[in-house]
Amino acid sequence: GAGVSQSPSNKVTEKGKDVELRCDPISGHTALYWYRQSLGQGLEFLIYFQGNSAPDKSGLPSDRFSAERTGGSVSTLTIQRTQQEDSAVYLCASSYRLAGEETQYFGPGTRLLVL
Amino acid sequence: QKEVEQNSGPLSVPEGAIASLNCTYSDRGSQSFFWYRQYSGKSPELIMSIYSNGDKEDGRFTAQLNKASQYVSLLIRDSQPSDSATYLCAVKTGANNLFFGTGTRLTVIP
Repeated sequence: GAGVSQSPSNKVTEKGKDVELRCDPISGHTALYWYRQSLGQGLEFLIYFQGNSAPDKSGLPSDRFSAERTGGSVSTLTIQRTQQEDSAVYLCASSYRLAGEETQYFGPGTRLLVL
Repeated sequence: QKEVEQNSGPLSVPEGAIASLNCTYSDRGSQSFFWYRQYSGKSPELIMSIYSNGDKEDGRFTAQLNKASQYVSLLIRDSQPSDSATYLCAVKTGANNLFFGTGTRLTVIP
């Protein structure tokens, strides 16, 4: 079956512009995560959606970042007034839980470059 | 102090040897622990999860968890050149937040 997909795969934007990144999780996965990974760094948690519950936004670095998940499926991460330090790979992952164990699948990521 | 700490390496082992990757975490209440493999330019892929103290084996991989010492490790037996990658340790604290280490880069020398 199809895995997690993300679009666009690459995005180059100018400082101050807004960008939208999209994530299509695996069908049936109730949990969805957004992370970002800067060059040579580990993954930084941004936001978590679980079913219809209120999202955990504790990882969003500033109020320029927001995300939504419509209908419990597709998610959009929006960065307003982009800054050069926002340049990173933005990764989405969806997961399911079976017999108490969670399995998380990552999408290919969106490489964002802010000039 | 970071939530999850790993030796960044690089760790080099000869083909056929055992590679040992280590990770410590700061939140004593953490319950879920994961090892991911990330090839250069690719997304992480889950290779092992462990939830209780002790060892968990899956093929050539063994995850070891010691909650008292706040330590989780990954052993790769009979290392192959295709195992060369960055290995990320991740720890779930609370209900949602998954903290990743910065990864250990492993090189298996043919």
